[in-house]
Amino acid sequence: KNEVEQSPQNLTAQEGEFITINCSYSVGISALHWLQQHPGGGIVSLFMLSSGKKKHGRLIATINIQEKHSSLHITASHPRDSAVYICAAAGGGADGLTFGKGTHLIIQP
Amino acid sequence: KAGVTQTPRYLIKTRGQQVTLSCSPISGHRSVSWYQQTPGQGLQFLFEYFSETQRNKGNFPGRFSGRQFSNSRSEMNVSTLELGDSALYLCASSLVQGEGKLFFGSGTQLSVL
Repeated sequence: KNEVEQSPQNLTAQEGEFITINCSYSVGISALHWLQQHPGGGIVSLFMLSSGKKKHGRLIATINIQEKHSSLHITASHPRDSAVYICAAAGGGADGLTFGKGTHLIIQP
Repeated sequence: KAGVTQTPRYLIKTRGQQVTLSCSPISGHRSVSWYQQTPGQGLQFLFEYFSETQRNKGNFPGRFSGRQFSNSRSEMNVSTLELGDSALYLCASSLVQGEGKLFFGSGTQLSVL
């Protein structure tokens, strides 16, 4: 069974700060998803990656397959980035996705 | 292009009843997966359907079932509802089975009284 751990659970930062959210998993996987959930429930897929690094606007996601670790970075954070960020591992002996508990991010103006 | 549509948005049921939730994927997407989200357990995978066949199933009791139709629309059914089934039920669609970017619906908020 794959265990997916996220840190930190909660993060409050000032507008403009560089944000890092971490995700580690216990079993080798085929891909890792980063999701964003705003209040009200809507979930948006930010990245799906199986190796290396991906960038979209101010968001960067990296994964280290050997260390079983992924990070999500937000540069020049903005209050609209306030949301819950969730990582989810695909494969690793489990059917479907295994989710982390999420990181609740608040960016203060 | 329309997104993933889930109906109904809210549902209130009593213990022992059964419920059916619907999910219409993005046009052309053949994979539909279902998830349960609760404050205590977070997001959990229920099952995935591709081409009308269940491909994967999470660790949920047999009261939770689903199906997919030839137009890729999917339904999930929960029989003999329990209080603990109160949750946000989300579906997601993707082009391919088991991988590929996921597109989520807004979810169905189920309350069991």
